Amino acid sequence: QSALTQPASVSGSPGQSITISCTGTSSDVGGYNYVSWHQQHPGKAPKLLIYDVSNRPSGVSNRFSGSKSGNTASLTISGVQAEDEADYYCNSYTSSDTWVFGGGTKLTVL
Amino acid sequence: QLQLQESGPRLVKPSETLSLTCAISVGSINTNDYRWVWIRQPPGMGLEWIGNIYSSGTTYYNPSLKSRVTISVDTSKNQFSLKVSSVTAADTAVYYCATRRGGSSRFDYWGQGTLVTVSS
Repeated sequence: QSALTQPASVSGSPGQSITISCTGTSSDVGGYNYVSWHQQHPGKAPKLLIYDVSNRPSGVSNRFSGSKSGNTASLTISGVQAEDEADYYCNSYTSSDTWVFGGGTKLTVL
Repeated sequence: QLQLQESGPRLVKPSETLSLTCAISVGSINTNDYRWVWIRQPPGMGLEWIGNIYSSGTTYYNPSLKSRVTISVDTSKNQFSLKVSSVTAADTAVYYCATRRGGSSRFDYWGQGTLVTVSS
């Protein structure tokens, strides 16, 4: 199975909105509403931000939102803050009863 | 709220078997609500799903690792385990245990991760 495709890096100034894309195929992202997003700060375990495309666990800021169109899922961070500087990973269920991650996107807050 | 903790040797020799255990200190492994997951991350690289197990013992593995990986569950000890055989330097990674809610992509509880180095 191939990793989902994410941009290697994105950047934004504080207060701006940024969007990270996650492109797969009809056998993973496009075929199921089982896409999640995780945030990872250096040296830390990943933290769940979004599950099932657009659901936010309790305690996660509503500045984080998820969506999907066709084979591409997206994570939007509204009003980027310095503390949002981290790596972000998407994840999807696949038709093979397995799960696949994206390659990760490094967010730099300018 | 579940709490997970990985344990096992931090250094493994090439060609040997890597063995890790994930202890669940708060909550029970004997539930149909969760799937018990192993994920790894080579230094400086991205996350890779290794596989998961149900409390019933049903397993699913990453096709690229399937021939070398075994995940098992021990309900009496409230823990699940990972074995990776015939390791090489490419298996050097931080290994995480995690949970996923059944019928969902909700990977909501993670261990802190443990770095396993493959080296002679």
